[in-house]
Amino acid sequence: KAGVTQTPRYLIKTRGQQVTLSCSPISGHRSVSWYQQTPGQGLQFLFEYFSETQRNKGNFPGRFSGRQFSNSRSEMNVSTLELGDSALYLCASSEGGTSGTYNEQFFGPGTRLTVL
Amino acid sequence: AQSVAQPEDQVNVAEGNPLTVKCTYSVSGNPYLFWYVQYPNRGLQFLLKYITGDNLVKGSYGFEAEFNKSQTSFHLKKPSALVSDSALYFCAVREVRAGNNRKLIWGLGTSLAVNP
Repeated sequence: KAGVTQTPRYLIKTRGQQVTLSCSPISGHRSVSWYQQTPGQGLQFLFEYFSETQRNKGNFPGRFSGRQFSNSRSEMNVSTLELGDSALYLCASSEGGTSGTYNEQFFGPGTRLTVL
Repeated sequence: AQSVAQPEDQVNVAEGNPLTVKCTYSVSGNPYLFWYVQYPNRGLQFLLKYITGDNLVKGSYGFEAEFNKSQTSFHLKKPSALVSDSALYFCAVREVRAGNNRKLIWGLGTSLAVNP
């Protein structure tokens, strides 16, 4: 099976702009989670989608949003970018469902976002 | 609050020596525990997990981890370290509460450096 793919791999934006990142999960996986990774803060959970519904949400401002499509592909959007949003954004997929709590997550390579 | 701690930011070990990366957790009830590894400029990869059963769990690349309920620990170990094991290691625990939407709680990561 193909792994988790994320596009684009690199992005450079300026403050105030908005950005959309895309994630295609492993075929058959219905759960998609998004994380922000920065050197000082480690992995910060953004949100999780399962069958097109947001199932969990981290402690990020409303500028961060996401959605999931019927084919399980997911997008996240960040509006009004700030310098502090510069980070590696990781997407992870898992089988989800009732067994989802003990299934491991499979990560994509990430999108490196730089905000100038 | 439920949490995971990786008490060492960095671990240094000589090639061929045994390595240990420490993880302790704080959740009520029975935990589901995971280890992931992140090689430079790559996404995270699943190493192993503990759900139930034998306290010694074997995973990828010769790694293993020991679940110790009394000490609330899940330390990652390898009998003989390789230079190629140099990477960032993350411990995670699934929240313990009712429902299927239990998110993963992540440690801040431990950087392992294996010296030739």
